[in-house]
Amino acid sequence: AQSVTQPDIHITVSEGASLELRCNYSYGATPYLFWYVQSPGQGLQLLLKYFSGDTLVQGIKGFEAEFKRSQSSFNLRKPSVHWSDAAEYFCAVYAGNNRKLIWGLGTSLAVNP
Amino acid sequence: EAEVAQSPRYKITEKSQAVAFWCDPISGHATLYWYRQILGQGPELLVQFQDESVVDDSQLPKDRFSAERLKGVDSTLKIQPAELGDSAMYLCASSGGTSPDGDTQYFGPGTRLTVL
Repeated sequence: AQSVTQPDIHITVSEGASLELRCNYSYGATPYLFWYVQSPGQGLQLLLKYFSGDTLVQGIKGFEAEFKRSQSSFNLRKPSVHWSDAAEYFCAVYAGNNRKLIWGLGTSLAVNP
Repeated sequence: EAEVAQSPRYKITEKSQAVAFWCDPISGHATLYWYRQILGQGPELLVQFQDESVVDDSQLPKDRFSAERLKGVDSTLKIQPAELGDSAMYLCASSGGTSPDGDTQYFGPGTRLTVL
């Protein structure tokens, strides 16, 4: 069965430091992969998505993610974190012909000034 | 930029009362989703529409929840009667067009429900 694992429940980084949020998936075919961000009390905003092609994808707000098929991973990165990046981050995989997203449990990011 | 609209943004109600949430998807999006998100957890799909038809409502508590999308555009999610455990964020999303871009879900701002 398809699944998504975000191993880190909570991460704290200092402002200006680099960030990597981990996401591992289980899916039999080539996956469609997504990262969403959710600020407190808000809806989910799409950061970036991967369908095929170049394995390094660029998103909004300076985020990027790299698809590694051999590791079944789609980790999210940002070279320099801003205080406004504090939020909940969700990884999701599109589960094919039933048009559903399978969600990870999320990683909560805190940013120290 | 086109957005998914939801109303109300916040709703406080007492248990046993009825509540309703409204969603207007991005224009032209045929697929509409209602999710429930409990604080600290990921979204849980409640119901999925393709145009006006329900594609999946396997996780919808049908004894108290109902959803409709009569004209295949906007949608209403209703809870009657509300219970304390229904306190959550209710999110609407839509997608449309040809795969793969058409499989990208775009979310509205959500409705925060508090049941007292």
